Parts: sequence; structure tokens; C-alpha cells
Amino acid sequence: DVKVTQSSRYLVKRTGEKVFLECVQDMDHENMFWYRQDPGLGLRLIYFSYDVKMKEKGDIPEGYSVSREKKERFSLILESASTNQTSMYLCASSLFYSGKGRRKPQHFGDGTRLSIL
Amino acid sequence: EDQVTQSPEALRLQEGESSSLNCSYTVSGLRGLFWYRQDPGKGPEFLFTLYSAGEEKEKERLKATLTKKESFLHITAPKPEDSATYLCAGMDSNYQLIWGAGTKLIIKP
Repeated sequence: DVKVTQSSRYLVKRTGEKVFLECVQDMDHENMFWYRQDPGLGLRLIYFSYDVKMKEKGDIPEGYSVSREKKERFSLILESASTNQTSMYLCASSLFYSGKGRRKPQHFGDGTRLSIL
Repeated sequence: EDQVTQSPEALRLQEGESSSLNCSYTVSGLRGLFWYRQDPGKGPEFLFTLYSAGEEKEKERLKATLTKKESFLHITAPKPEDSATYLCAGMDSNYQLIWGAGTKLIIKP
């Protein structure tokens, strides 16, 4: 089974701090994703990466950056945390190609619940 | 604008009472429709992918179907352990997922 591990389940930080969220997958997947999940809203894509050192902006990249130095690891960085970044953060990974032009599903970690005070 | 809408927001059923969850979508160039289950405090867990209208997939008490405008997740004779939030997502022409807000399903014993 695919395993996606997020380094912290709960995290409390202060406004203005630089925050690092780490994610590791063990299935040699090319694609990795960072989402945030808020009540009443669907998952919103922050950033994704198709390969090492590659990154693409998602729908809500403002205030965030990412790093992918190794294939298995994808980090989300809050440059200067603000209270509106309090949320559940989910990391996911997937294979890039699955024969017949179809895509494999994304597999998720258990999330980091981040509170910014 | 691409959009995925799930209804109802919440559904309470008695154990054994079958029902359906709806996922209505307007996603240009839909490449697939994905269903996930999410338990409290956990990440979404993949259930099914449907690729074309008319396709059906089954897993235990769950059956997913797809038309050109919507997908249904049918739950037959549910048990309390089926309680969870069910998410659907449409994959657009750029291979990105457009997510619905989810349906919270509660099965009472």
C-alpha cells in the first residue's frame, strides 16, 4: 500500500513565524501535491510538483512556497504565517502515467492541523 | 468555470436503510470522476475512478455510477462503520482535480 507521511498531526505557531510542513511518500510517485481543507469548502490546491526541483502553482499559492529536493519529499513553507492560514493541510502523491492515458488516483497523508495564533 | 457540487451536505440513515449521494459536475474535458472516503482526523481514502458515462464500479456496500452530468454513490444496507464524509472530484483537461465539499454520512445503529 502507498504510504504518505506528514511530519506533524497538530502544529501551533504564531503570526509572522516561518512554518515548514513536511511530507514523505514511499512509492516512488512522480507527482506530489499540497492542499488545504476548510469546513464547507472542497480541497483547494496550493502547489504541486511533477518531478524533483519542479513546482507549479495551484489555485491558492499566495503566502506559500514549496521545495522538492528529493523525489520522495515535498515541503510546504508558510513564509510569514497569518491567522487566515489556520487550516488542515493535506499532502498527496500519485503516479504520473497509468497506461491507456489514464491517471492513477492521488493518495493522501493524514493531514497536519495547523493553528496560527 | 469548472465546478463540482455534492448533495446533500449531510445525510442521516438508519442501519440497513439504502440511499444515494449525488455529485453534480461541470468540468470541461472530464478525464475521470473520483470518489474518496474521509474519516474524522484522517486524509481522504481512494474508493473509485469512473472514466466514461455508463460506467459502474462496486466495492462491498458501495456502488458508483456516472452520467454525463453527475455521479451517484449508492450505499446498500449501510452499517455504522460506513459513517464518514464522502468526497468526489472531477479531473479536468489539465489533469487537476476539482473537488466537491463532501457529504457527511451518519449511519445510526
